[in-house]
Amino acid sequence: GDSVTQMEGPVTLSEEAFLTINCTYTATGYPSLFWYVQYPGEGLQLLLKATKADDKGSNKGFEATYRKETTSFHLEKGSVQVSDSAVYFCALKAGGFKTIFGAGTRLFVKA
Amino acid sequence: EAGVAQSPRYKIIEKRQSVAFWCNPISGHATLYWYQQILGQGPKLLIQFQNNGVVDDSQLPKDRFSAERLKGVDSTLKIQPAKLEDSAVYLCASSLKGTESFYEQYFGPGTRLTVT
Repeated sequence: GDSVTQMEGPVTLSEEAFLTINCTYTATGYPSLFWYVQYPGEGLQLLLKATKADDKGSNKGFEATYRKETTSFHLEKGSVQVSDSAVYFCALKAGGFKTIFGAGTRLFVKA
Repeated sequence: EAGVAQSPRYKIIEKRQSVAFWCNPISGHATLYWYQQILGQGPKLLIQFQNNGVVDDSQLPKDRFSAERLKGVDSTLKIQPAKLEDSAVYLCASSLKGTESFYEQYFGPGTRLTVT
């Protein structure tokens, strides 16, 4: 069945460091891909998305490119801030209704 | 625009007791989702409603979990009787529609359930 695998955390970085969180997927058909973020004490919120191959989603300095050939959707940011500390979830939605989430990667950014 | 509302935010019960969670989606959103998020895992869909009809409940443990969405607005998720493994955060989300990928899901803050 459809699945999402993302790198285990926690990831600890210093402020202004470069961030990469890896995400790969398995799906039938042509899924849409998402990154959600969960800040402490809050619900999940959509960070960015891409609906077809080679699309790049971007928001708040974060980017991810839909790579069909490697079935990947890695999240990147050039310079992280303390306020980026959160849990990041990669997700996909293939044909039908269900969204499949990865296990989440916790990011800590130190000042 | 008001977000997705959930209550209670926290609940502690003993095993074999019953519990109910309430969700009020964003006004006008036809699709409502209930997810279970166990510590250290991603959210798992329990049930999805389109208006007041169920479109996916394949992962809902129907022997103990039930959900309803009367009049296509608010929804209630019930567990009866609860087991220790039901300890989790229960998330409600809504979207304008569920069948198209570009309709964003909006999540509520969740209800953290602890079963002792």
